[in-house]
Amino acid sequence: DGGITQSPKYLFRKEGQNVTLSCEQNLNHDAMYWYRQDPGQGLRLIYYSQIVNDFQKGDIAEGYSVSREKKESFPLTVTSAQKNPTAFYLCASSIERINTEAFFGQGTRLTVV
Amino acid sequence: AQSVTQPDIHITVSEGASLELRCNYSYGATPYLFWYVQSPGQGLQLLLKYFSGDTLVQGIKGFEAEFKRSQSSFNLRKPSVHWSDAAEYFCAVAGNSGNTPLVFGKGTRLSVIA
Repeated sequence: DGGITQSPKYLFRKEGQNVTLSCEQNLNHDAMYWYRQDPGQGLRLIYYSQIVNDFQKGDIAEGYSVSREKKESFPLTVTSAQKNPTAFYLCASSIERINTEAFFGQGTRLTVV
Repeated sequence: AQSVTQPDIHITVSEGASLELRCNYSYGATPYLFWYVQSPGQGLQLLLKYFSGDTLVQGIKGFEAEFKRSQSSFNLRKPSVHWSDAAEYFCAVAGNSGNTPLVFGKGTRLSVIA
């Protein structure tokens, strides 16, 4: 089945450690996104990528990094510079333009202790 | 830049009653508009979208939404709510120029009571 796979579903890390969240899609979509979700805050855009080897910062990119070496993959690294990394992270993709409907993965809940 | 306001944080309706979730957007031209639904701990599922044309849009699960340019609104409706509709609902907007991603509202949590 085509879709977006985020792994792991739950992730625990100690404060000060970098952690990488995986996002893979087999929909042949060009654009991919990372959103952060906090209770009562809706979804906030971290990074997005329209093509391989290119990506742009979203509204809350500080403390995060991404890469887009393959069309299918868009991993997100939460660095130790992120002040409050505990959150629910959602990866999404869209077929072409970035202003069209996005398809979402099931999310990764990151807890930093 | 575009923005979205969902005025209601939490709504409770009785099963079988009608539902309307409000969404107001800010954008200089005709936007692209979306409604998504999210069950707890899950990703988002697209309910419906509006790009152009007929301002009343039909979606999945019996939902519909109406684009009203004069009110900058895109309210979501359902004539009869089922208990399984309890979830969080997000409205999103994108510019029609193609160079900005979706911007989401903060969501409305729907509770359904018997």
